[in-house]
Amino acid sequence: DIQMTQSPSSLSASVGDRVTITCRASQSISRYLNWYQQKPGKAPKLLIYAASGLQSGVPSRFSGSGSGTDFTLTISSLQPEDFATYYCHQSYSAPPEDTFGQGTKLEMK
Amino acid sequence: EVQLVESGGGLVQPGGSLRLSCAASGFTFSDHYMDWVRQAPGKGLEWVGHIRNKANSHTTEYAASVKGRFTISRDDSKNSLNLQMNSLKTEDTGVYYCARKDFYDRSGAFDYWGQGTLVTVSS
Repeated sequence: DIQMTQSPSSLSASVGDRVTITCRASQSISRYLNWYQQKPGKAPKLLIYAASGLQSGVPSRFSGSGSGTDFTLTISSLQPEDFATYYCHQSYSAPPEDTFGQGTKLEMK
Repeated sequence: EVQLVESGGGLVQPGGSLRLSCAASGFTFSDHYMDWVRQAPGKGLEWVGHIRNKANSHTTEYAASVKGRFTISRDDSKNSLNLQMNSLKTEDTGVYYCARKDFYDRSGAFDYWGQGTLVTVSS
């Protein structure tokens, strides 16, 4: 199965900061990489699909890039509502055996 | 508006069984692949399994950790997704989410999620 490794596991930042989270796949997954935001007690929310597609309704300060094995999620200017945990997810495997990264907890400095 | 609403969670003893359901609305359920994803307390997300749409014969796939114990089914006439969980283990404890997988436009991303239902396996 394909392993997904996120870094860092946790991150302290301030409102207005530019933040980058990375995700590395154990083998090439083309652009089948998605990013989610999860707040405590809530279901995950899709932010970015297919490495760089912005989900409808998601603010443009969120962006994604990468292909193959290395991917990044960038928040250009952190807002108070962005403090949450972020997960990457590969949907490349066929037959499906989706896997998630371990998560990155973004905390207020 | 797309909605997914899970039900059926609760407390069960190790070795027991539980059946979760997910009621879907706001989209053509029969066209879509549907998945179950779970989250142990304080942990990350884990894919559980997947059922394809009618056009792909409702075939299923499962994570190794649940294969042979869990069964995913769907009733397109009722817009309902189910997860039958047998031989439950303490490590199956967590919140179970149903999620819509979008292969049409989003390369398999989970674009809609239910609110989750808590399963606790404990004696």
